[in-house]
Amino acid sequence: SYVLSQSPSMSVAPGETAKITCGANNIGRKSVHWYQQRPGQAPVLVVYDDSDRPSGIPERFSGSNSGNTATLTISRVEAGDEADYYCQLWDSSGDLVVFGGGTTLTVL
Amino acid sequence: QVQLVESGGGVVQPGGSLRLSCAASDFTFSTYGMQWVRQAPGKGLEWVAFIWNDATKKAYGDSVKGRFTISRDNSNDTLYLHMNSLRGEDTAVYYCARWGLSCSGDKCYLSAFDYWGQGTPVTVSS
Repeated sequence: SYVLSQSPSMSVAPGETAKITCGANNIGRKSVHWYQQRPGQAPVLVVYDDSDRPSGIPERFSGSNSGNTATLTISRVEAGDEADYYCQLWDSSGDLVVFGGGTTLTVL
Repeated sequence: QVQLVESGGGVVQPGGSLRLSCAASDFTFSTYGMQWVRQAPGKGLEWVAFIWNDATKKAYGDSVKGRFTISRDNSNDTLYLHMNSLRGEDTAVYYCARWGLSCSGDKCYLSAFDYWGQGTPVTVSS
């Protein structure tokens, strides 16, 4: 079954670009989804099916997935982007849903 | 506006049972698979269980298999999680989430969890 690896934390200055990665063997063969969770709030979907954005999510949020790494990119980072970010996929062969451990994004 | 409202959480002793509910509104509940996801204090998201739209398939995370049961009532737009033999490590906020669909033409496939409830807290303690 899949184990999704995320760095526990990262920091970025306002206006810069944050790249949050999610690693697993051949993850590029799966559809990966990304969630943002602000403190005390429920998760919110920000990218689905590797690179699609739900309505209402700013274009600054984008995703890619290839080989062994899926990436969530947040361009022109704002203070309001400070949150935990989780990658997730469905391993249909094993009927398992898997979440990454989460990355805490701090905006300096 | 899609709404998911969890209820039923509370404090329960180790070995006890609890039933969580998730009331869905403003979408055709019977069309969508549903999920339970939990988050222990200070920890990340952990998948608990899913159920297909017609309840023909269910699956569970290893940590709850054999103790928790997911079910749904499509006539009342409600998702349930029956939790037995509760342990301290089951202490968490429990979220229900809708399993979204991605469609191309007349073909749809299971995608991301597109709507989440606000969660209901469960504390297992003596």
